[in-house]
Amino acid sequence: QITLKESGPTLVKPTQTLTLTCAFSGFSLSTSGVNVGWIRQPPGKVLEWLALINWNDDKRYSPSLKNRLSITKDTSKNQVVLTMTNMDPADTAKYFCAHGWYFENWGQGTLVTVSS
Amino acid sequence: EIVLTQSPATLSLSPGERATLSCRASQGHSSYLAWYQQKPGQAPRLLIYDASNRATGIPARFSGSGSGTDFTLTISSLEPEDFAVYYCRQGLTFGGGTTVEIK
Repeated sequence: QITLKESGPTLVKPTQTLTLTCAFSGFSLSTSGVNVGWIRQPPGKVLEWLALINWNDDKRYSPSLKNRLSITKDTSKNQVVLTMTNMDPADTAKYFCAHGWYFENWGQGTLVTVSS
Repeated sequence: EIVLTQSPATLSLSPGERATLSCRASQGHSSYLAWYQQKPGQAPRLLIYDASNRATGIPARFSGSGSGTDFTLTISSLEPEDFAVYYCRQGLTFGGGTTVEIK
């Protein structure tokens, strides 16, 4: 059974850096073909893909956010970490991690509020 | 960058009716289109991948079709649990969603 769970701060201040962790089980990011991505959803709004990392450590970022994002993996810990710099109130959203190229499995999401 | 346009924005139907949702891509390079269902407070759930393949555990009333720039998600007979928001996705771009609401 594949599970994913996001964790990190619920409140960050403008200009701070956000660090989110996706802890997963049921698969290995060292297995060929495996991907983990991050997606966010502002309250009442639509989904926005942020970043993706694969088993080969290839990384892809949203063109509009690539200067602020970094995605890394720790295969031994079964974790993927997303960092986003220079947070703004417009970044308030629920942040999800998901497994697979088609995002077959999702975490429950974690709500991050950006406010002073 | 691909833009995905979903229509209609809202679909008001009764249980038992057929739902037809559209997703149009600004470029027609791929059939790697997926559909997701999202209910309030929940994460999205993958329904369809590669335009027409049902994901594991998805009922047969959900079907996908299309290629190039025009794709369709059809729900043959709406069940009460199908009233939700539906998103298409191609590559790493999501559409704006279609809300299927009870009429």
